[in-house]
Amino acid sequence: AQSVTQPDIHITVSEGASLELRCNYSYGATPYLFWYVQSPGQGLQLLLKYFSGDTLVQGIKGFEAEFKRSQSSFNLRKPSVHWSDAAEYFCAVGASGGSYIPTFGRGTSLIVHP
Amino acid sequence: GAVVSQHPSWVICKSGTSVKIECRSLDFQATTMFWYRQFPKQSLMLMATSNEGSKATYEQGVEKDKFLINHASLTLSTLTVTSAHPEDSSFYICSARGEREYEQYFGPGTRLTVT
Repeated sequence: AQSVTQPDIHITVSEGASLELRCNYSYGATPYLFWYVQSPGQGLQLLLKYFSGDTLVQGIKGFEAEFKRSQSSFNLRKPSVHWSDAAEYFCAVGASGGSYIPTFGRGTSLIVHP
Repeated sequence: GAVVSQHPSWVICKSGTSVKIECRSLDFQATTMFWYRQFPKQSLMLMATSNEGSKATYEQGVEKDKFLINHASLTLSTLTVTSAHPEDSSFYICSARGEREYEQYFGPGTRLTVT
């Protein structure tokens, strides 16, 4: 069975600073990987996904993530954080041969200081 | 496009009563919807997969008789928490599958508090 670890419960950054949110997964085959963002009062929104191909994936809102098979990681990055990026971020892994239903990590809360 | 709504967004009920939560896909048809439960500062836990016109598939450990799911149409799925107890208090989130298998569009969630 697949699993996801997001080791950081909270991350605090200053507006304009760079951001990296960590995600490690466990899955026997090539996984499908996702990053979602959850803002208060809104549903989870897909930021980006990785299925195959180029290991550096570009997403919406200026986010990107890099799949590193050797490290079983799929870290999310953004070069310059905006105050509106403050939210909860979830990494998820889906079974490549299955129903695509993702297993979510526990989330990382991003706090942005002005 | 691809908007999913949930109603109500917040509900308080007394222990022993039942509560129904609706999940609607507003601008697309969804043959498959999912129900999740989220505890504070924790991950989303899949409770069940709901397919239109058939019985829901529940995850291991989820009580079918307590969490009744009905996918009555291609745009509506409901979750009824029967005989609610304080330990059922949680944040319930639904999602609807889009045209592609990997696409899921999430509702904003429903906060249930059982007193």
